[in-house]
Amino acid sequence: QQQVKQSPQSLIVQKGGISIINCAYENTAFDYFPWYQQFPGKGPALLIAIRPDVSEKKEGRFTISFNKSAKQFSLHIMDSQPGDSATYFCAASFGNEKLTFGTGTRLTIIP
Amino acid sequence: DTEVTQTPKHLVMGMTNKKSLKCEQHMGHRAMYWYKQKAKKPPELMFVYSYEKLSINESVPSRFSPECPNSSLLNLHLHALQPEDSALYLCASSQGSYTYNEQFFGPGTRLTVL
Repeated sequence: QQQVKQSPQSLIVQKGGISIINCAYENTAFDYFPWYQQFPGKGPALLIAIRPDVSEKKEGRFTISFNKSAKQFSLHIMDSQPGDSATYFCAASFGNEKLTFGTGTRLTIIP
Repeated sequence: DTEVTQTPKHLVMGMTNKKSLKCEQHMGHRAMYWYKQKAKKPPELMFVYSYEKLSINESVPSRFSPECPNSSLLNLHLHALQPEDSALYLCASSQGSYTYNEQFFGPGTRLTVL
């Protein structure tokens, strides 16, 4: 019940396109949903996060869509650029419990 | 300064060696974390220090020994490791131990155990 399922495992998107990564969870107690971006040889960096009282949050080209009833949330990257090529992890937590990470999506943006 | 620094960047050690990983932050954060990350996997939490006291130990083998000398420093002492302990070891910090606080990750130490 603590799992967060992430898909796809890898994704190739053309430059300028929209990249979409999906996550699903079971534990209805989760109330914090961050997305992390990790470049090779670097630590993860918080990209954007959402709480379940809103259905969408946008920061620049990055948008989280949240569907509480379906227990799903997704990351949309608009106008994807080669510099967005990285591994993306969704995560979830509640209270002061540790972050439960998804399995990761390796995103490649091709010219 | 919004950076978490880790040394060394790379470490190769034998199974009988003793070594230490170091982590430092000067953001005034009061929570610090050690994670282990295997290739193509998400980070796995090992330890959490909150206000310089160990608050979470995720059943990590005793061959890993954390230490928090002060609010800016976090060490991970390694002894008698196994080849399967080879991984990227990440340090992170946050204002408090609640996950609502953004965790700032360091670049990690790439550890190879021979």
